Amino acid sequence: DIQMTQSPSSLAASVGDRVTITCRASQTISNYLNWYQQKPGKAPKLLIYAASSLQSGVPSRFSGSGSGTDFTLTISSLQPEDFATYYCQQSYSTLWTFGQGTKVEIK
Amino acid sequence: QVQLQESGPGLVKPSETLSLTCAVSGDSISRYYWSWIRQPAGKGLEWIGRIYTNGNTIYNPSLKSRVTISVDTSRNQFSLNLSSVTAADTAVYYCATEGGNYFDPWGQGTLVIVSS
Repeated sequence: DIQMTQSPSSLAASVGDRVTITCRASQTISNYLNWYQQKPGKAPKLLIYAASSLQSGVPSRFSGSGSGTDFTLTISSLQPEDFATYYCQQSYSTLWTFGQGTKVEIK
Repeated sequence: QVQLQESGPGLVKPSETLSLTCAVSGDSISRYYWSWIRQPAGKGLEWIGRIYTNGNTIYNPSLKSRVTISVDTSRNQFSLNLSSVTAADTAVYYCATEGGNYFDPWGQGTLVIVSS
């Protein structure tokens, strides 16, 4: 299985901050990397697919980058509604796997 | 637009079989791949398995011996059976569409508690 490792596991930030979350794959996955946002009691929501493509309806303050084994999710200016847990997920292998999640909390 | 809705018992006894159904609306179930994903309380997401349009399946190796995913095209729904459950199988269970190389959309999730 391909292991996905996110860092940090949690972070505290203020509204307006630039936030960066990283995701590393245990082997190369090209650009088969997706990012999801999950709020308490809700299903995950797709934000970014294919490493850098913004899902329809997702605000442009979210962006993704990377290829191979190292990927980044960036929120350019954190908004109150962005406090949530973020997961990366690889779809390179037949067996899809998630990172352990990064919780973004209010500072 | 595809919409998904999970249903099934919220409480299952240890050693019994957990059975859930995901009803698909807004499109034909034959057009996409479908997955089940679970999330224990306070923990991360675990992919359980997938059913392809031809009915073939693939499962997470950690659950493979206990999982069966099937599809009922006449009812536009697919199902999850997980046998010999223990407390470790207590989780929110989600069904999800694989319209591309990602999960979208997802069902709202259903909590299953394993307890006697």
